Amino acid sequence: EAGVVQSPRYKIIEKKQPVAFWCNPISGHNTLYWYRQNLGQGPELLIRYENEEAVDDSQLPKDRFSAERLKGVDSTLKIQPAELGDSAVYLCASSLNVRQYFGPGTRLTVT
Amino acid sequence: ELKVEQNPLFLSMQEGKNYTIYCNYSTTSDRLYWYRQDPGKSLESLFVLLSNGAVKQEGRLMASLDTKARLSTLHITAAVHDLSATYFCAVDMGSGGGADGLTFGKGTHLIIQP
Repeated sequence: EAGVVQSPRYKIIEKKQPVAFWCNPISGHNTLYWYRQNLGQGPELLIRYENEEAVDDSQLPKDRFSAERLKGVDSTLKIQPAELGDSAVYLCASSLNVRQYFGPGTRLTVT
Repeated sequence: ELKVEQNPLFLSMQEGKNYTIYCNYSTTSDRLYWYRQDPGKSLESLFVLLSNGAVKQEGRLMASLDTKARLSTLHITAAVHDLSATYFCAVDMGSGGGADGLTFGKGTHLIIQP
């Protein structure tokens, strides 16, 4: 069974530029999550989807972050414009029941 | 606001020794997760504990949950070098068939020396 797929794996951009991350969850997993992990910290939830619906986006900085999950499968997380403090690893996870499976993450560096 | 605290945050130990990592959380929940993360890698699911008194074991690792004390432990028996990693506990406030977003601790960075 294929795991959660994310791309790109690494991204370096200058501040004020836009960036987008893509996630393909495990087949059949209805629930999809985006987390942000800062260096030396645990991941923090940004948004949770049940199928196409964003059911928890309370931690998503909506002034610059947006996300979508068209057709309830793949998802895209966007930052526009990026700030220096956005440098982190962005993790996508999916679940069918209570166990969450994480993808390899996208390491974003904003210079 | 749910808070999850792990201790210790850093642990250096010798092979063959036993040790315990503690995870305390601030709000009632009966869903507790343990993950392992190697440097530069993603999170690997180790255990999912879903009820008071739950105990699960895999190899040299054993996890337990006391929901009344809001405490989970991850016990390492006869440590080997391959267990060196960062271990995270996480709590899920959901109660249905699916999982809500997880709140993670800061992680315990474990180094096991030969």
